[in-house]
Amino acid sequence: QVKLQESGPGLVKPSETLSLSCSVSGGSINNFYVSWIRQPVGKGLEWIGRLWPSASPDYNPTLKNRVTLSLDTSKNQLFLELTSVTAADAGVYYCAKDEWGFDAWGQGSRVTVSS
Amino acid sequence: NFMLTQPQSVSESPGKTVTIPCTRSSGSIAHSYVYWYQKRPDTSPTIVIDENNQRPSGVPDRFSGSIDRSSNTASLTISGLTADDEAEYYCQSFDNFDRVFGGGTKLTV
Repeated sequence: QVKLQESGPGLVKPSETLSLSCSVSGGSINNFYVSWIRQPVGKGLEWIGRLWPSASPDYNPTLKNRVTLSLDTSKNQLFLELTSVTAADAGVYYCAKDEWGFDAWGQGSRVTVSS
Repeated sequence: NFMLTQPQSVSESPGKTVTIPCTRSSGSIAHSYVYWYQKRPDTSPTIVIDENNQRPSGVPDRFSGSIDRSSNTASLTISGLTADDEAEYYCQSFDNFDRVFGGGTKLTV
């Protein structure tokens, strides 16, 4: 059973870069896509992008200019960077196993944007 | 790209049946599978319907999914409502490499 766990700083200053990691266990990230999804405060779920070692990442067009997804297959980890954050980027960030639908999710990483 | 539109909220009594619609704005609802997720406060979403109408292991058969080509709408139906079903429900589909979520529906039981 694939399990995912997000980690990262809970507090980011406005205009700075948000960095999160996603550790995967119970399966190799060489074998499936992993997506990043977020729930901004008071809003619904928003897909950020997805990544697989054998393909270029795919990004939500609305975030594409600020997002970079990467991975370390040796550690079975994925990474998200979101630049120039504002209060609108605050919320909970999830990584999820992407089989067109999302059948396994991490517990989420809460991010606050404040100076 | 397309959008998925859901009502903001629905309400129904315990024991009754509720249906939550999810309408695709452009392109056929049948073009790509639709998935449904249950989201309770402070917990991760869990999938309750896979590939339009498939129930993942562990999901009660009170949950069912369907699509209607004529209205370009997918629907989640929950029968025999209990207080435990009170949550937000999100539909999701995809178009090529993009994944799209509906805005979510708050179900009150």
